[in-house]
Amino acid sequence: SYDLTQPPSVSVSPGQTASITCSGDKLGDKYASWYQQKPGQSPVLVIYHDNKRPSGIPERFSGSNSGSTATLTISGTQAIDEADYYCQAWDTRVVFGGGTKLTVL
Amino acid sequence: QVQLQESGPGLVKPSETLSLTCAVSGDSISSLKWWNWVRQPPGKGLEWIGEIYHDGTTNYNPSLRSRVTMSLDNSNNQFSLRLTSVTATDTAVYYCASRNIAPTGTGGAFDIWGHGTMVTVSS
Repeated sequence: SYDLTQPPSVSVSPGQTASITCSGDKLGDKYASWYQQKPGQSPVLVIYHDNKRPSGIPERFSGSNSGSTATLTISGTQAIDEADYYCQAWDTRVVFGGGTKLTVL
Repeated sequence: QVQLQESGPGLVKPSETLSLTCAVSGDSISSLKWWNWVRQPPGKGLEWIGEIYHDGTTNYNPSLRSRVTMSLDNSNNQFSLRLTSVTATDTAVYYCASRNIAPTGTGGAFDIWGHGTMVTVSS
């Protein structure tokens, strides 16, 4: 089965850049998406097609995908960005990464 | 504005069948989307359950395939999930979500999610 691996946690200071990685076999050959989930809320799509932002998602969210790693980058991280982030790809079925808790401190 | 709303029992007994429905408003289940179920056990990550297309084609998570059935209700613009022989490990928040494959959509990413419904498996 296809697996996506994320670090359990990432910490960042306010105003700095946060990078969350997602690793999978030849992930760069697939499209990666990223979701933000705050406590008690449903996930929200923040990046699709590796690097596209849906309407309403701030420009500080960006993405890249190459080789075996997709990366979500949050520039100028704000306290409101503190959340769990999940990567997702499709490989004969939908696959989610295990999630990364982003702490802004 | 597209909205998805899950409904169904919040408590199911072990060995019984979990049945949930997702009502779609602001869009047609005949559109270029796959209609999905995703669950999240308390304190854990997202687990994909499966999806159904408007022509009835389904894709299921191999780990759940033997227990899962999804169906469409075109007259009521909704879709459903049945999960048989449940155990405590099926306790989770169940989300319905759409995966948009339209040319102007989100390239197969999940664009709309319901609020989720908590299902507890307990006697």
